[in-house]
Amino acid sequence: GESVGLHLPTLSVQEGDNSIINCAYSNSASDYFIWYKQESGKGPQFIIDIRSNMDKRQGQRVTVLLNKTVKHLSLQIAATQPGDSAVYFCAETISGANSKLTFGKGITLSVRP
Amino acid sequence: ETGVTQSPTHLIKTRGQQVTLRCSSQSGHNTVSWYQQALGQGPQFIFQYYREEENGRGNFPPRFSGLQFPNYSSELNVNALELDDSALYLCASSLQLAGTGELFFGEGSRLTVL
Repeated sequence: GESVGLHLPTLSVQEGDNSIINCAYSNSASDYFIWYKQESGKGPQFIIDIRSNMDKRQGQRVTVLLNKTVKHLSLQIAATQPGDSAVYFCAETISGANSKLTFGKGITLSVRP
Repeated sequence: ETGVTQSPTHLIKTRGQQVTLRCSSQSGHNTVSWYQQALGQGPQFIFQYYREEENGRGNFPPRFSGLQFPNYSSELNVNALELDDSALYLCASSLQLAGTGELFFGEGSRLTVL
């Protein structure tokens, strides 16, 4: 069936380095993608989103890249900080589809001091 | 803080019991969605409520039901609890008309079924 998945279950990076978290999606009808961050004991927190008519979008220290040809999404975090340690989820949806999001399994980002 | 509040934060039930979880949406948001998050997994869509009516449902059995009230707050009810219902239940609010799918999540209700 349709699914959103992540390539790696965990990612360990040195504080100050850049982090890249990858995600593959399989529903070609999806046109809106979101990255969420979830800290222990909390709900998912919106980080950044991108529509399918774009291939790159930048926020504060974060960049999302979308490659529709290979159905790939990535989240880049610049100058990773200890506060970035969390589980990261990519999610996909079809605009107007009742806001239903399909989430991947998540990847844990661990920042080494 | 997202402005979405859920209660209770933690609860323990036994198999076969019933549970009601509550959610207050962010001010001005008229749509509430419920997600189930099993340990180590991503959230799974249960259903969504818009203007007090169910407006989309995921692959969950009928013993999962919900309500939305005129003030847009919502309840999730689960009957005949099973061990596999143990999970974090997340409520998210949004503006249906926004059409962006952007959801604001609460911190969840952790349900343990023994």
